[in-house]
Amino acid sequence: GAVVSQHPSWVICKSGTSVKIECRSLDFQATTMFWYRQFPKQSLMLMATSNEGSKATYEQGVEKDKFLINHASLTLSTLTVTSAHPEDSSFYICSAGEGANDYNEQFFGPGTRLTVL
Amino acid sequence: GQNIDQPTEMTATEGAIVQINCTYQTSGFNGLFWYQQHAGEAPTFLSYNVLDGLEEKGRFSSFLSRSKGYSYLLLKELQMKDSASYLCAVINSNYQLIWGAGTKLIIKP
Repeated sequence: GAVVSQHPSWVICKSGTSVKIECRSLDFQATTMFWYRQFPKQSLMLMATSNEGSKATYEQGVEKDKFLINHASLTLSTLTVTSAHPEDSSFYICSAGEGANDYNEQFFGPGTRLTVL
Repeated sequence: GQNIDQPTEMTATEGAIVQINCTYQTSGFNGLFWYQQHAGEAPTFLSYNVLDGLEEKGRFSSFLSRSKGYSYLLLKELQMKDSASYLCAVINSNYQLIWGAGTKLIIKP
């Protein structure tokens, strides 16, 4: 099956710093990748849809200037949390779709646990 | 509005069968997913239904009725490792993925 990786797996940073999270599709090309956030004991919340070569589409309530998304190639999307604060501490998960219809089956990365002190 | 309803928590016995229901109200429909998520891990794809009927994959089966806005995930021969949250998600007509809050399944020996 298709594999999606994320790096780093976990990160601890000081308040006010920026953190970059990478999402890679290892053995397939993904024109669309999705970024989710999950707080403890809550469901996944879609943050944005990342499209290769164009601007990301953000969900309502997600600050595009705070969560910068760059989908530079068909196998890599990055999420940068700028000026992170403790309330940004969460589990960030990306997913990518394979095939003509990217929703037919999404493959999830293992997630990145961010802790902001 | 758009919403997906599924029970918050269910308990079942090892070796038994459990059915997790999901009802949805969305603006259009382009498919329904079931995912399994163990605590602290990313979700794992279980099934995708876009046509009415039952899809069987080993111990897991998923059913869809578009006219009723209803789906269920059926787990047979339950094992302790099946203890997890099960997430129902629907793609609407705008190709937005709408997530349910998940059902926490507890398996007892």
